[in-house]
Amino acid sequence: SQTIHQWPATLVQPVGSPLSLECTVEGTSNPNLYWYRQAAGRGLQLLFYSVGIGQISSEVPQNLSASRPQDRQFILSSKKLLLSDSGFYLCACTGTVSGNTIYFGEGSWLTVV
Amino acid sequence: GDSVTQMEGPVTLSEEAFLTINCTYTATGYPSLFWYVQYPGEGLQLLLKATKADDKGSNKGFEATYRKETTSFHLEKGSVQVSDSAVYFCALSSSNDYKLSFGAGTTVTVRA
Repeated sequence: SQTIHQWPATLVQPVGSPLSLECTVEGTSNPNLYWYRQAAGRGLQLLFYSVGIGQISSEVPQNLSASRPQDRQFILSSKKLLLSDSGFYLCACTGTVSGNTIYFGEGSWLTVV
Repeated sequence: GDSVTQMEGPVTLSEEAFLTINCTYTATGYPSLFWYVQYPGEGLQLLLKATKADDKGSNKGFEATYRKETTSFHLEKGSVQVSDSAVYFCALSSSNDYKLSFGAGTTVTVRA
């Protein structure tokens, strides 16, 4: 079965600092990969998704970017964080095993201060 | 576009009470439907799913039936426990697109 590793689990960053969240997937090949954000007390917002290496689709304009340097690696980045970037970030994937079911990582709590 | 509307919370219940969370959807084609659960401080876990009309998904005492005629996928559990306290998300994926559309989430609190 596929497993999603996401880190760091929590981080506190000052406004204006850079960000890098990393996600790797095991147990499947050529997955579709996703980054979601969940603001406190709110639903899920799809930020980026990728159907292959180097292929990134952005769902909303924002202060963040994503990259997929390897088949099972997905990175969320920012050059300068804003207070509004605080939230719970979730990496997710679908793969040959799961079909159209999306599975999520454990999430990364980001607090921008 | 595709969308999901689920019952707003929060919902507070006593242990052993019956739980139902309403979910309706709008989609083209033949979507798959999902319920995800998020326990405090954790990521989302797939609770159950149904991939075609009249399918019933079930897991951990929870059930939901894919009703095409009413475009609904209501979540039910006959006797809740304190450990069922969580946020529940209804979601769909269209038949030709693996992006999920999520509902806003329903917070459920079960009191002992």
